[in-house]
Amino acid sequence: NAGVMQNPRHLVRRRGQEARLRCSPMKGHSHVYWYRQLPEEGLKFMVYLQKENIIDESGMPKERFSAEFPKEGPSILRIQQVVRGDSAAYFCASSLFNQPQHFGDGTRLSIL
Amino acid sequence: GQQVMQIPQYQHVQEGEDFTTYCNSSTTLSNIQWYKQRPGGHPVFLIQLVKSGEVKKQKRLTFQFGEAKKNSSLHITATQTTDVGTYFCAGMDAGKSTFGDGTTLTVKP
Repeated sequence: NAGVMQNPRHLVRRRGQEARLRCSPMKGHSHVYWYRQLPEEGLKFMVYLQKENIIDESGMPKERFSAEFPKEGPSILRIQQVVRGDSAAYFCASSLFNQPQHFGDGTRLSIL
Repeated sequence: GQQVMQIPQYQHVQEGEDFTTYCNSSTTLSNIQWYKQRPGGHPVFLIQLVKSGEVKKQKRLTFQFGEAKKNSSLHITATQTTDVGTYFCAGMDAGKSTFGDGTTLTVKP
């Protein structure tokens, strides 16, 4: 009974590199959400996806950030040309429609 | 767009004291969910409230959903050190969840 799987748990990148964060939802869940969390702060919504569709990306920065949830495989959050301010914990959650979200352990992204 | 406000931001209590966090939405919600995040951990779902005026209990935790389905509260009776963490509410409307900023509880033994 695997829960939401995120990898890697920790990711270190130098400024200007690309970061790819992966999320495999719980079995049977077709709704995926990405959140960013800075230390001592709340969860900031980034994007909500269903299989092959972006439903709501109102929380995504307009540049450098993109997300996908392909028909096969995990959801990917991609950050291009990372900057120091991208350092944060990125959480993925999955759910059935209108039901509670189940969170992964998160990816802690550090930018050198 | 929908906004969910949560107060207080921080609460420090002595072990054994009670604790309450409040959640208010700018719009009427279809349901509200509560989550707990321990330090260094990820949010974990606690409960979902759906009906107007609903009250649910989990041991020392009492959850309420307002009559207008725009506010909610979480009350912990006689806090213990294991209660430390950040409690988030999440208001659900038309399939989208909006999280409050959370209330961080610290408990002094």
